[in-house]
Amino acid sequence: QLQLQESGPGLAKPSETLSLTCAVSGGSVTITNWWSWVRQSPGRGLEWIGEIHLDGRTNYNPSLQNRVIISMDKSKNQLSLTLISVAAADTAVYYCTRESGAFTPFGYWGQGTLVTVSS
Amino acid sequence: QSALTQPPSASGSPGQSVTISCTGTSSDVGAYNYVSWFQQHPDKAPKLIISDVNKRPSGVSDRFSGSKSGNTASLTVSGLQADDEADYYCSSYAASHSYVFGTGTKVTVL
Repeated sequence: QLQLQESGPGLAKPSETLSLTCAVSGGSVTITNWWSWVRQSPGRGLEWIGEIHLDGRTNYNPSLQNRVIISMDKSKNQLSLTLISVAAADTAVYYCTRESGAFTPFGYWGQGTLVTVSS
Repeated sequence: QSALTQPPSASGSPGQSVTISCTGTSSDVGAYNYVSWFQQHPDKAPKLIISDVNKRPSGVSDRFSGSKSGNTASLTVSGLQADDEADYYCSSYAASHSYVFGTGTKVTVL
């Protein structure tokens, strides 16, 4: 059973660059084509951040595309999310997901990692 | 890219049915049959319960069903049970390789 485990610093200061990792265990990242990141602000809804294909192609939420980079390290079997110049509004639980079918990118979810942006 | 609109809350008694709407536009819900639904219990990650408008992943109860008409998709939960009390979100593929989520609906089992 493929498992996804997000990790991050827990706390970030405004204007810093946030780096999160999604470690894949129980199988290879190559098991599926598209991997995504989704976030959920406290008490609020879900927001799609972006996705990456095994071949390196990426698509980002237009509202975040100037600040976000998603990458994949197949040798380490993990994904990464980089968010530049964070602010309080970026406080959220960040999830990585993998597809379960074409145009179904959120088929399987990690448990999420909470990031709080505060000085 | 605006969030899809869902009612903030819905409720029903055990055994009853509840239907949740998810309204988008002709650029997302109305344009593609790629609507998914998710169930999220408190402090848990969301779980996919419907994909492609009306397909249930393996292991998901047949009490969950989905449909779509025009720019609005719907999720029906039949035979409400206590464990169905959760937040429900829809999502849709939108133009230019992007995805959008709904605003979320809190379902209460009375």
